[in-house]
Amino acid sequence: QKEVEQNSGPLSVPEGAIASLNCTYSDRGSQSFFWYRQYSGKSPELIMSIYSNGDKEDGRFTAQLNKASQYVSLLIRDSQPSDSATYLCAVNENTGNQFYFGTGTSLTVIP
Amino acid sequence: GAGVSQSPRYKVAKRGQDVALRCDPISGHVSLFWYQQALGQGPEFLTYFQNEAQLDKSGLPSDRFFAERPEGSVSTLKIQRTQQEDSAVYLCASSLYDPAEAFFGQGTRLTVV
Repeated sequence: QKEVEQNSGPLSVPEGAIASLNCTYSDRGSQSFFWYRQYSGKSPELIMSIYSNGDKEDGRFTAQLNKASQYVSLLIRDSQPSDSATYLCAVNENTGNQFYFGTGTSLTVIP
Repeated sequence: GAGVSQSPRYKVAKRGQDVALRCDPISGHVSLFWYQQALGQGPEFLTYFQNEAQLDKSGLPSDRFFAERPEGSVSTLKIQRTQQEDSAVYLCASSLYDPAEAFFGQGTRLTVV
């Protein structure tokens, strides 16, 4: 059973703060890791992908991967109210086409 | 088209009714995926097409669920004899090839009453 675990939240941070979102996965064969943002009633939107251990930065977003600990995180710096959404963690084995999603973490950025 | 288009956006079905959900992928996209997203949950994989070939249907929850993509473009997800537990948002995604680069449609919200 492939599992992707996320704290469902809600996570609340003040505007301008750093939001930290965490995800663990059970399948050591997982090779690719993704963070999606989903606004209420909307479809998931890919915001970050990471494939190797370490940090990957893109603007205000930083993804961190630790395969030994089976842990992937997303940091959002200088959080804005427009960042308020559900953030979905997804993993892929690279040998298949299935993405396994977590249940998502609801983030609220308070102005 | 400009994005992945799904229709209808909302569907209410009586228990036992058959439904058909349509997905128009981005033009030229080879890969097409269907996901089921229950309320408060993440999307769960249903099936995957590469052109007209259904390469993976391991996520389909029962034989009441059937998907097709006969000409390698538009896809239809059919659910026969709907049950209340089928109530969910059904998401379609397409990509040129790499599933990591898939774009999602807005989804069809199915409510079975």
